[in-house]
Amino acid sequence: GAVVSQHPSWVICKSGTSVKIECRSLDFQATTMFWYRQFPKQSLMLMATSNEGSKATYEQGVEKDKFLINHASLTLSTLTVTSAHPEDSSFYICSAKAQNNQPQHFGDGTRLSIL
Amino acid sequence: GEDVEQSLFLSVREGDSSVINCTYTDSSSTYLYWYKQEPGAGLQLLTYIFSNMDMKQDQRLTVLLNKKDKHLSLRIADTQTGDSAIYFCAERGLTGGGNKLTFGTGTQLKVEL
Repeated sequence: GAVVSQHPSWVICKSGTSVKIECRSLDFQATTMFWYRQFPKQSLMLMATSNEGSKATYEQGVEKDKFLINHASLTLSTLTVTSAHPEDSSFYICSAKAQNNQPQHFGDGTRLSIL
Repeated sequence: GEDVEQSLFLSVREGDSSVINCTYTDSSSTYLYWYKQEPGAGLQLLTYIFSNMDMKQDQRLTVLLNKKDKHLSLRIADTQTGDSAIYFCAERGLTGGGNKLTFGTGTQLKVEL
């Protein structure tokens, strides 16, 4: 149980394009979803926390107009990287959590490469 | 902010036990987690422990928690080549409404034949 699906797994696109990444909880309802960014050989950096039906809470230093997060249902959250530039190239990972004391379960990540 | 530290690298022979250590600073930690990350993949939850427990065993995995010293360890018995990966410990405290995880730097485990 507790499967989180992330799509796409790999994206290559031109600078200036907007890219949408989906995160779905397949067999549970996710009251909270999280978006992380991971640089090579580094740990995960939390970008934002989103609760279903409300605005996402962004971490300090993360531009909310650049990284648009939508959590419209209990099984789907999306991250849109708007007007992406090469410095946005990274590995983006989502996670989802059911009720309060449940652990976070992670998707397989999306490798984003901006040319 | 809260800090979680791990050693960067561990090498063991196949069949031996591996022990990965983690220290943290958050005295309000409620849960502590171990995740495994293989190359190019997301994080797989291995096990977790509630902060009022000392030990948890799950098949080849044993987690030890010393809350006084804020020290967490993961022991993998009979380590196999498939265990080669990066292992992250994470702690969940009361910041961010008790939802946020603080991750360690990750320990790369290499299992040699």
